[in-house]
Amino acid sequence: AQKITQTQPGMFVQEKEAVTLDCTYDTSDPSYGLFWYKQPSSGEMIFLIYQGSYDQQNATEGRYSLNFQKARKSANLVISASQLGDSAMYFCAMREGGKLIFGQGTELSVKP
Amino acid sequence: NAGVTQTPKFRVLKTGQSMTLLCAQDMNHEYMYWYRQDPGMGLRLIHYSVGEGTTAKGEVPDGYNVSRLKKQNFLLGLESAAPSQTSVYFCASSYSTPQGAQPQHFGDGTRLSIL
Repeated sequence: AQKITQTQPGMFVQEKEAVTLDCTYDTSDPSYGLFWYKQPSSGEMIFLIYQGSYDQQNATEGRYSLNFQKARKSANLVISASQLGDSAMYFCAMREGGKLIFGQGTELSVKP
Repeated sequence: NAGVTQTPKFRVLKTGQSMTLLCAQDMNHEYMYWYRQDPGMGLRLIHYSVGEGTTAKGEVPDGYNVSRLKKQNFLLGLESAAPSQTSVYFCASSYSTPQGAQPQHFGDGTRLSIL
């Protein structure tokens, strides 16, 4: 069974607009963590934002925020004021125990 | 600021050859991981280690072996390379925390082609 699901293979957004990248997860462990990573065309993995399962508030890091809906098991990434440099693959991941499990990713293209 | 260093960055092998990928981290992290990334897919966990001398299987362990003899190093071995193992391999490391609040730090990847 898929533990992390990203249903949007590709997304387009106009520069300066906001965009939401979807992520749903499946776990029976009450303690878990959710991460978003960015992978530009150069290939490196860049950590963006983290949400813990016990965190009461949604995580925010600059232009990135995480819309955490625990009952729905979703952890969507919101990027505000998109920039051309945001064009990349975005991966949602869940830490369960000692392991980090990744979704298949969403390719975001920002249009000028 | 070396972080996580992977060696080599590129390699071409013939079917049946063996090789070892080296991952080194200088952040004193307890946990280390090996992933593979295939086109159009996310990262899949091959093996991981929660401390020196310990290893565990991930999602796709078959055909690979690992060793963690020193805390800072995590080696990934291919005993008999197969074309299906053509991929980009990423190593990562992290601290261990009760709720996993620490992100994983990734190396730059190794592009491996098996002919």
